[in-house]
Amino acid sequence: AQSVTQLGSHVSVSEGALVLLRCNYSSSVPPYLFWYVQYPNQGLQLLLKYTTGATLVKGINGFEAEFKKSETSFHLTKPSAHMSDAAEYFCAVSEPGAGSYQLTFGKGTKLSVIP
Amino acid sequence: DAGITQSPRHKVTETGTPVTLRCHQTENHRYMYWYRQDPGHGLRLIHYSYGVKDTDKGEVSDGYSVSRSKTEDFLLTLESATSSQTSVYFCAIKEGSGDPDTQYFGPGTRLTVL
Repeated sequence: AQSVTQLGSHVSVSEGALVLLRCNYSSSVPPYLFWYVQYPNQGLQLLLKYTTGATLVKGINGFEAEFKKSETSFHLTKPSAHMSDAAEYFCAVSEPGAGSYQLTFGKGTKLSVIP
Repeated sequence: DAGITQSPRHKVTETGTPVTLRCHQTENHRYMYWYRQDPGHGLRLIHYSYGVKDTDKGEVSDGYSVSRSKTEDFLLTLESATSSQTSVYFCAIKEGSGDPDTQYFGPGTRLTVL
């Protein structure tokens, strides 16, 4: 069974500072990995995804994530936080070849950006 | 925009009453999913569908049933709502017919069971 651990349910950064949101996964096969963002009272929006190929993945709004197989990690980063980045972020995994294409989500990390 | 709408967007109901939530998509995607979101739990899969009349259970399916009689509509029913089913419910679709499996989400339905 797959699982996802997001370290830190709340993260606060100053505007302009580095954003680092951590995600570790457990999977019996190399998974597909996703980051979603949820703004207040909205649905989830795909930020970026890793499937195969280049392990550094760039997404929308200046975010990127690096797949590190040896560390079973897929941490999300952004060099400089903006006030508009305040939201909840979810890491998710799926198992390639599984017929249901199910996603398993982490519990989420709420990002606050301090002016 | 994956063309997903959910109705109602907000609902308050009483314990023991039946409730049906609707997910509608406009782009003929084969796979559709129902999740619930609760603080501290992230999103958890309730049921999913891989075609008309083809459905299967997810992680937290107890107390829920689903139906899909048309490609565009996926219904989630709480036969007898309980307070533990107070949650935000999200519908999602998966684009394409194979891997990789990117899901896109609707705007959500906030359900309160008193």
